[in-house]
Amino acid sequence: QMQLQQWGAGLLKPSETLSLTCAVYGVSFSIYHWSWIRQPPGKGLEWIGEINHSGCTNYNPSLKSRVTISVDTSKNQFSLKVTYVTAADTAVYYCARMTTDGIIDYWGQGTLVTVSS
Amino acid sequence: EIVLTQSPGTLSVSPGERVTLSCGASQSVSSYLAWYQQKPGQAPRLLIYDASNRATGIPARFSGSGSGTDFTLTISSLEPEDFAVYYCQQRSNWITFGQGTRLEIK
Repeated sequence: QMQLQQWGAGLLKPSETLSLTCAVYGVSFSIYHWSWIRQPPGKGLEWIGEINHSGCTNYNPSLKSRVTISVDTSKNQFSLKVTYVTAADTAVYYCARMTTDGIIDYWGQGTLVTVSS
Repeated sequence: EIVLTQSPGTLSVSPGERVTLSCGASQSVSSYLAWYQQKPGQAPRLLIYDASNRATGIPARFSGSGSGTDFTLTISSLEPEDFAVYYCQQRSNWITFGQGTRLEIK
């Protein structure tokens, strides 16, 4: 049974770094890509970026300057860092599985990250 | 960036009705369009990929059609559990989502 289990700090101050990790269970880590997507409260979805098992990444151009996605294949985990957060980064952050041709077919449970002074 | 525009924003319907949701792309996305359902407090669930293919376990009352810039999601007969927000998403050029259509009970 596939599971995506995510965790990270839920409350940050402006200018801090957001850090989340997602662990993958029950599926071959190397045959998929792995994505982060966020959703501000009451709003729509925004794709942040993706990584494969080799560490190759693609990022949303609008966030690229502040985002890093990394992978730890020894633990079947991937991580998200967003630097210099502001209130606009307040959102539920989802990790997700993506097929190699870009279909996002399985989502984690989401983590609410709030940025407030 | 490819912009996806969904219409209507909100649709009030009754169980048993047939509904059609629309998604328009600012430029062609070929058939690289997916539909997701999201219920309150839950992650989105993939319904349709590549415009017309139902994802695993999705009931046959959900169907998708379209190509290029115009797409539709049809629910043939609404069940109570179908009241949710629906998003379209393209993967032709990076990944972007529509703003969502909310299905509410009339």
